[in-house]
Amino acid sequence: RKEVEQDPGPFNVPEGATVAFNCTYSNSASQSFFWYRQDCRKEPKLLMSVYSSGNEDGRFTAQLNRASQYISLLIRDSKLSDSATYLCVVTFSGGYNKLIFGAGTRLAVHP
Amino acid sequence: DTGVSQDPRHKITKRGQNVTFRCDPISEHNRLYWYRQTLGQGPEFLTYFQNEAQLEKSRLLSDRFSAERPKGSFSTLEIQRTEQGDSAMYLCASSPGVAGENGELFFGEGSRLTVL
Repeated sequence: RKEVEQDPGPFNVPEGATVAFNCTYSNSASQSFFWYRQDCRKEPKLLMSVYSSGNEDGRFTAQLNRASQYISLLIRDSKLSDSATYLCVVTFSGGYNKLIFGAGTRLAVHP
Repeated sequence: DTGVSQDPRHKITKRGQNVTFRCDPISEHNRLYWYRQTLGQGPEFLTYFQNEAQLEKSRLLSDRFSAERPKGSFSTLEIQRTEQGDSAMYLCASSPGVAGENGELFFGEGSRLTVL
């Protein structure tokens, strides 16, 4: 079983739609959680951290459910510029400097 | 541009040849990481340095792979006797502190390796 699993998509949505991605992780001792964004043929970049209490950054909301070991990312009012691959990232106990990436979920927003 | 730089950006080699990639991290960052990414997959951890010390190495990294960071600044990743399965994008990243605290790794644009 992979340490971090994501639905690969693609999710094809119209502009203005709300879309949600889920990610599950296998290690219950996981410590920190993040979402990264990777544009086509570009390097990954940090989108946001995921806190136990949930957090919001503009149109983006991230939530963590430790009991079920999953993380979610909600994007409201999708823009064409949101088209990218969204990578779920986890660190595990004892590996605090090692970020483990999921395979990513591809989002395509169309006019 | 003071971001992470990697060289070369593209490398095509024949199976069995050795290749070396270089990474220059952001100057004030003492932590440096190498990842590998193949099509449709997320970045896969290879190894991590804090200053010049290599503190962690993935079990996926066979003995054909070696990484160094001799003076705690730039790093090199060498692959000996390349195989077709080594074809991938090799990403270098750096961070100023413990990556797990705020999760921010600063990635370079990568070095794409094609093994024929």
